[in-house]
Amino acid sequence: EPEVTQTPSHQVTQMGQEVILRCVPISNHLYFYWYRQILGQKVEFLVSFYNNEISEKSEIFDDQFSVERPDGSNFTLKIRSTKLEDSAMYFCASNSVGSPLHFGNGTRLTVT
Amino acid sequence: SQQGEEDPQALSIQEGENATMNCSYKTSINNLQWYRQNSGRGLVHLILIRSNEREKHSGRLRVTLDTSKKSSSLLITASRAADTASYFCAISSQGGSEKLVFGKGTKLTVNP
Repeated sequence: EPEVTQTPSHQVTQMGQEVILRCVPISNHLYFYWYRQILGQKVEFLVSFYNNEISEKSEIFDDQFSVERPDGSNFTLKIRSTKLEDSAMYFCASNSVGSPLHFGNGTRLTVT
Repeated sequence: SQQGEEDPQALSIQEGENATMNCSYKTSINNLQWYRQNSGRGLVHLILIRSNEREKHSGRLRVTLDTSKKSSSLLITASRAADTASYFCAISSQGGSEKLVFGKGTKLTVNP
């Protein structure tokens, strides 16, 4: 069964550094998402992406965050200047119209 | 907040027993979904119930939805140790773009 893949599985970075989290959604899916989960807390929506543009974003998704689909297969989340509070699991997801989301296994981001 | 809220927060049962988890929400919904998360892993979609449905079954899973009470329940029958995981409800208020709002989850432990 096709799956969403995310790399790296764990990323450690220093405060103020830029990070790029990578995702390969399922190939015939049209909608892409990023969610995050701070340790022990609920999963929070960050952004949805369709037809090469952001369709919706949350309050968390401020100017420090950006998404891109650079080459038709990858879907990336960039955090320009990481803060300690950005430490979390970041999940990529994708779906086609009317179908449930398929999530990747996540990237654990640790900001020191 | 429109988020789903599960209860109990934690549930510990013996193998073979049934496990019931509840979810309440505050807004009108398009559909409600249940996901499972093993420790440190991604979210796996279990079942989706639409706002005009009252009950749905999938294998050992049974989901009910009461839109008048804005609540849903997930029943796992004849539980197994492998069912040990966190279970989240997520609500979708819009058709199309799946911005899901997750609850905090119920941590289920099934003891062998």
